[in-house]
This record gives sequence, structure tokens and C-alpha cells, in this order.
Amino acid sequence: DVKVTQSSRYLVKRTGEKVFLECVQDMDHENMFWYRQDPGLGLRLIYFSYDVKMKEKGDIPEGYSVSREKKERFSLILESASTNQTSMYLCASSRVDATNEKLFFGSGTQLSVL
Amino acid sequence: QKEVEQDPGPLSVPEGAIVSLNCTYSNSAFQYFMWYRQYSRKGPELLMYTYSSGNKEDGRFTAQVDKSSKYISLFIRDSQPSDSATYLCAMTGGTSYGKLTFGQGTILTVHP
Repeated sequence: DVKVTQSSRYLVKRTGEKVFLECVQDMDHENMFWYRQDPGLGLRLIYFSYDVKMKEKGDIPEGYSVSREKKERFSLILESASTNQTSMYLCASSRVDATNEKLFFGSGTQLSVL
Repeated sequence: QKEVEQDPGPLSVPEGAIVSLNCTYSNSAFQYFMWYRQYSRKGPELLMYTYSSGNKEDGRFTAQVDKSSKYISLFIRDSQPSDSATYLCAMTGGTSYGKLTFGQGTILTVHP
């Protein structure tokens, strides 16, 4: 069974902390994505990566960075957490072929910044 | 104006009803259209995938795409309580190949 695993289901952090969200996929997918999901706003793309050590900004990259040192792992970093970054964070992966629009999602990390 | 608009609902229907979920979009380059289903406290999972215009059927689910009207629909026949979830439309195409744009999601409850 294919899987995208996010390291934490719930996380509570304080304003100003550096926060790491980890994501691992076991499908040998080239593409990996980080989205955040907020009520009424749907899913918004933060960053994505088409290959190891490669990253591209999505629609809302401000306040975030990413790291992809290995193909199976894609990390989202909040350099200095703020309360407006309280959200559900979803990691996803897809293949680079005719079906690379089909994203496989993890279960999400609900982050609260106090 | 959002690139993809979806009525967030919530939508509440009795078991056995036909459900219609819809999205409109503005980017004429979109050519791949998807519906994802998201259960509470879970990530979205792909439900239906359609390329360009037309219909696609899978069991109780039918996806329709009308590119001329920039309008997509998902129909659920004989709805079941297990269909209660948030349904998200998503689409991509042109230079954004592989990068999806999502609707806001519609919360559906099917009550027995």
C-alpha cells in the first residue's frame, strides 16, 4: 500500500520558534508538494520539488522554506513561526509521467502557533 | 477572484439522494480535472480523474467536464452515510503541469 507519512499529527509551537515538518513517501515519486489548508480557502501550495535538492515556490511561500536532500523526504521549515501560520499542513507526492497530476497525500499535520 | 470557485456548502442530504457538486474556473489552459474526497482528520484522496471535456463514470460516481462553460461537476447516485466527507475539485494544465489548483471544498453530510 503506497504511503505518504507526515511525522506529526498535531503540533503546538510558540511564536518565534523554528518549526520543522517532515514528510516521507515510499513510492519513489519524483514530485513532492507542501500545501496548507484553511477553512474557506481550500488548499494552497507553499513549495514543491521536482527532484532532489530542487525546490520551487508555490503561491504562498513567504515565511517558509523547504529542504529535499533525499528523494523520499521533503521537509517544510517555518523559520520563525507566527500565529497566522496556524493551519493544517498537507504533504503530497506524484510521479513524473502522464499521471503526474494524481497527488497522493499524507494525513496532515495540524499546527497551532501560540 | 479565485481561479477555481467551489460552493463550500455545507450540503446535507438524506441517504439515497443524488448529490451534485460543482466547480467553475477561469483559466482556459486547465485540461486535467480531478475530484478528491477528504474524510475528517485525513488527507485528501483521489476519487475521479478526467482529461479534457466529457463524462467519466465509476460506480455511483460520475464526473462531468464542460470546458466551453468552464464548469465541472461530480454526481453521486444513491448516496450513503459513508460518502459524508469534504469534496475538493482540482485542476491543472498548460505551464502549471503537475501543480494543482484546488477549489475551497464542499462539506457533504449524508444522513440515514
